[in-house]
Amino acid sequence: DSGVTQTPKHLITATGQRVTLRCSPRSGDLSVYWYQQSLDQGLQFLIQYYNGEERAKGNILERFSAQQFPDLHSELNLSSLELGDSALYFCASSNQGIGKETQYFGPGTRLLVL
Amino acid sequence: GQNIDQPTEMTATEGAIVQINCTYQTSGFNGLFWYQQHAGEAPTFLSYNVLDGLEEKGRFSSFLSRSKGYSYLLLKELQMKDSASYLCAVRDYRGGATNKLIFGTGTLLAVQP
Repeated sequence: DSGVTQTPKHLITATGQRVTLRCSPRSGDLSVYWYQQSLDQGLQFLIQYYNGEERAKGNILERFSAQQFPDLHSELNLSSLELGDSALYFCASSNQGIGKETQYFGPGTRLLVL
Repeated sequence: GQNIDQPTEMTATEGAIVQINCTYQTSGFNGLFWYQQHAGEAPTFLSYNVLDGLEEKGRFSSFLSRSKGYSYLLLKELQMKDSASYLCAVRDYRGGATNKLIFGTGTLLAVQP
């Protein structure tokens, strides 16, 4: 158990819908990262937050957005869902978000878009 | 651009040694990580290299050559539970305070009795 929690574990929804994935980092960690893992693409970095501020952006679609709240939990919002958005979504956390820190991954949310 | 290459699949025998290679080309480099991921589960941290050479941690060792853009993960005394996907990830650093990881597609290791 990494100490990172994610809810829900599974999510089934329809195309065109909007969903919110939630992540709570390990106690004391200030930085949160979101990754998408699909079968054909491997783990793709989406976005990083540090203490409420966006710090780095990866291959995140405009239909997706994220935020980190004052209590440091983070939410990833996916809208206008398409079949291709079906994937595992992982959240990871680290202490400061810089340096050689290890990122610890949560158990993931499995999203299925029908 | 950024490119990380690993073999897609490997097979090895219980008790043996296996080496999983990773080559990378990135615009900025500041460290290489290896993660283990069992199917449907979260990646778990195995090792980190930022300087050239070998880092040993029990049955697992990882090597880095920055000049060659090359790393390997060595697993000794293989056990059935080592059957998993092994992900090579490079920390992409291009200035600024970020810790973005670029992952390879992973090597699926099957350990056979």
